[in-house]
Amino acid sequence: EAQVTQNPRYLITVTGKKLTVTCSQNMNHEYMSWYRQDPGLGLRQIYYSMNVEVTDKGDVPEGYKVSRKEKRNFPLILESPSPNQTSLYFCASRMSESMNTEAFFGQGTRLTVV
Amino acid sequence: QKEVEQDPGPLSVPEGAIVSLNCTYSNSAFQYFMWYRQYSRKGPELLMYTYSSGNKEDGRFTAQVDKSSKYISLFIRDSQPSDSATYLCAMSGRYNQGGKLIFGQGTELSVKP
Repeated sequence: EAQVTQNPRYLITVTGKKLTVTCSQNMNHEYMSWYRQDPGLGLRQIYYSMNVEVTDKGDVPEGYKVSRKEKRNFPLILESPSPNQTSLYFCASRMSESMNTEAFFGQGTRLTVV
Repeated sequence: QKEVEQDPGPLSVPEGAIVSLNCTYSNSAFQYFMWYRQYSRKGPELLMYTYSSGNKEDGRFTAQVDKSSKYISLFIRDSQPSDSATYLCAMSGRYNQGGKLIFGQGTELSVKP
């Protein structure tokens, strides 16, 4: 089954404690991205990657890091989480950057930073 | 001003009603228009995709794009309780940065039996 898998689904952490949210896709997609979803703001892109070792900032990259060492994996790293990073996070993948390719989303990771 | 504006609702309708969901946008470079459906505790799933102005129909769903007014709509006919979800409009330009999708805030829809 084609899917995007995120882990963990729920996470509560304390300010400053480094964490990683994993994302893996089994569709051999080139393009992957991370979004955060907040009430009243919709989905906003954090980082994206057009292929292995090619990453770039989205609209809200501050406080986040990513890496793309393998095509299937695109982890999101919070080096020093803060309460304003409490949000619902989604990883998404597409066949390519082309806009006529469907984006597939993971199930989401609900992060709470206290 | 946000690039994409969407009425957040919530919207509650009886089963069988016709539902109209709308988004306006400000960026005339947008060329691709999508509607995603997001069930509670799930990720968004692509529902409809259009490239040009006009209507596109898929079963009970019709997507409408009016580029001259910078306005897109999703119509749901004979709405069902299973249509209860949050509906997100999304759009992008042909030469957009890294294939980024710009999303509306989402409209929460509840269809009552």
